[in-house]
Amino acid sequence: ETGVTQSPTHLIKTRGQQVTLRCSSQSGHNTVSWYQQALGQGPQFIFQYYREEENGRGNFPPRFSGLQFPNYSSELNVNALELDDSALYLCASSLGAGPVNEQFFGPGTRLTVL
Amino acid sequence: KQEVTQIPAALSVPEGENLVLNCSFTDSAIYNLQWFRQDPGKGLTSLLLIQSSQREQTSGRLNASLDKSSGRSTLYIAASQPGDSATYLCAVLSYNTDKLIFGTGTRLQVFP
Repeated sequence: ETGVTQSPTHLIKTRGQQVTLRCSSQSGHNTVSWYQQALGQGPQFIFQYYREEENGRGNFPPRFSGLQFPNYSSELNVNALELDDSALYLCASSLGAGPVNEQFFGPGTRLTVL
Repeated sequence: KQEVTQIPAALSVPEGENLVLNCSFTDSAIYNLQWFRQDPGKGLTSLLLIQSSQREQTSGRLNASLDKSSGRSTLYIAASQPGDSATYLCAVLSYNTDKLIFGTGTRLQVFP
């Protein structure tokens, strides 16, 4: 059984640029959630995708968007990068979109915006 | 609005000590509470998940308790080891939001 994987591991961008982060779900999982973790903070929920549709969103602006593909892999896109977007971005997969389905986290992508 | 607080923010103990990490939450209407471990710059590893109907869960040297009425959970680590050094995060899944709400974590250092 393959766990959750994310790419790239690290990324450096400049203000105003766009970035795409990728996540491959654990085998058999059809739901993916994305989180932003600023330094010294707990992760903050960005949004969740279930069967290729957005299924809940946290308090993040529209320049944060996502996609989920038929194989349940996922992308997080961030446009017009700001310095405060520098963080560790985590994805988590689960079997089903219900709240009681345990989420399994990937290793994260460290994004630095200069 | 659900808020999760963890105390202490940081803890440094000698190897072999038993220790307790605390987590409190403001809204008791939760599905479950989960404890995670995070090594520096890494992802989250789930340690224990307690459903709202449960009082505690145990895994090896770890024991987590849940008192939903008082909005508290504790993570007990027995006979701590240097390999336990990490940040420990608790997260609750609330009825109102259907999403995990995390605390800011307790950074633990166990020295030989």
